[in-house]
Amino acid sequence: AQSVTQLGSHVSVSEGALVLLRCNYSSSVPPYLFWYVQYPNQGLQLLLKYTSAATLVKGINGFEAEFKKSETSFHLTKPSAHMSDAAEYFCAAMKTSYDKVIFGPGTSLSVIP
Amino acid sequence: EAGVTQFPSHSVIEKGQTVTLRCDPISGHDNLYWYRRVMGKEIKFLLHFVKESKQDESGMPNNRFLAERTGGTYSTLKVQPAELEDSGVYFCASSQGGTAYFTDTQYFGPGTRLTVL
Repeated sequence: AQSVTQLGSHVSVSEGALVLLRCNYSSSVPPYLFWYVQYPNQGLQLLLKYTSAATLVKGINGFEAEFKKSETSFHLTKPSAHMSDAAEYFCAAMKTSYDKVIFGPGTSLSVIP
Repeated sequence: EAGVTQFPSHSVIEKGQTVTLRCDPISGHDNLYWYRRVMGKEIKFLLHFVKESKQDESGMPNNRFLAERTGGTYSTLKVQPAELEDSGVYFCASSQGGTAYFTDTQYFGPGTRLTVL
């Protein structure tokens, strides 16, 4: 069965530091991959998605993720953390279009002033 | 354009009572999904509608849960009778559908937080 794992349920970074949130998926065929973010008291918002067009995907708010097939990874990065980036981040996958989304357990990001 | 809306935002009920959650998808979206996140666990798929038809209900936990989508527009999810383990956040998502050539992005609502006492 397909699964998505995220290393670290909580990550803390200093303001201005690099943000790196790790995601690995298990699948014999690369799925469609996503990162969603949930800000406090809000719904899930799509940050970016990978659909095989390009391995480096740029999203909103300065985030990007790189698909690495050899490592079955889709890590999320941002060069410089802002206080407003504090939220919970979910890596997710779909086997095909119109399929259900399979979520990772989430990583809560804290940004320290 | 309005996003996915859900009502109520919070619901607190006692064990054995009935609760109905509502989801209004983005206008024109054929696909509607329900997910839930129970405390400390992952967000899990419940079911998928295409217009008014249930495409996949493999994630529904048991027959206490009933989902409907009237006329292919809004959807309701009824829990009857509610149990303690039903507590969590219930998310609704919708996507446009109608194409096979690019990923159909699911847009999520803010969720309904259900607490069963």
